[in-house]
Amino acid sequence: DTEVTQTPKHLVMGMTNKKSLKCEQHMGHRAMYWYKQKAKKPPELMFVYSYEKLSINESVPSRFSPECPNSSLLNLHLHALQPEDSALYLCASSRGGGKDTEAFFGQGTRLTVV
Amino acid sequence: AQTVTQSQPEMSVQEAETVTLSCTYDTSESDYYLFWYKQPPSRQMILVIRQEAYKQQNATENRFSVNFQKAAKSFSLKISDSQLGDAAMYFCAGGTSYGKLTFGQGTILTVHP
Repeated sequence: DTEVTQTPKHLVMGMTNKKSLKCEQHMGHRAMYWYKQKAKKPPELMFVYSYEKLSINESVPSRFSPECPNSSLLNLHLHALQPEDSALYLCASSRGGGKDTEAFFGQGTRLTVV
Repeated sequence: AQTVTQSQPEMSVQEAETVTLSCTYDTSESDYYLFWYKQPPSRQMILVIRQEAYKQQNATENRFSVNFQKAAKSFSLKISDSQLGDAAMYFCAGGTSYGKLTFGQGTILTVHP
């Protein structure tokens, strides 16, 4: 199984809503990532979890809150988002958190904030 | 710190022809990995090919090959016998310490039948 599964595929939320994005992998990978991607731009790293601990937070606003309940799951909790937060959110995983960062990506969640 | 630069915003190729996508990088690390990812309209980022910096031999994966010039800090991707399914946005990326991938700005590849 070489898949990273993200749910939902599409999400529309109001600025006062609370929602969560979910990501799951069963490849035994110990590093998991959240990226944000705007149209025709490269992905921007948001968070890195290594061995279920948050190892990198790229100065992301607190309205985004990551959670890693176990080694296979990664969540991104959303609260009080702004329209400019509308983007494709990609989850990825890799064997480790070092230089060998061959990442496997999910299909992403297309988020629209209204 | 690492930077990755793709200077070709768009490229096009005829079906069955060969195309080369350019990428340059800069890093202060002595050991690193370089990757090419493909992102079709379906959105999923797919790994095309990887290169370990300590290996002299250029990586090859079926119709995809790289030209890794370490001294010139160049990492180009050659696609041979281009197919319509190769149309996508291609990102060059470098793997750094602590699990961080640094991406270039991307090149949109169009394949003409």
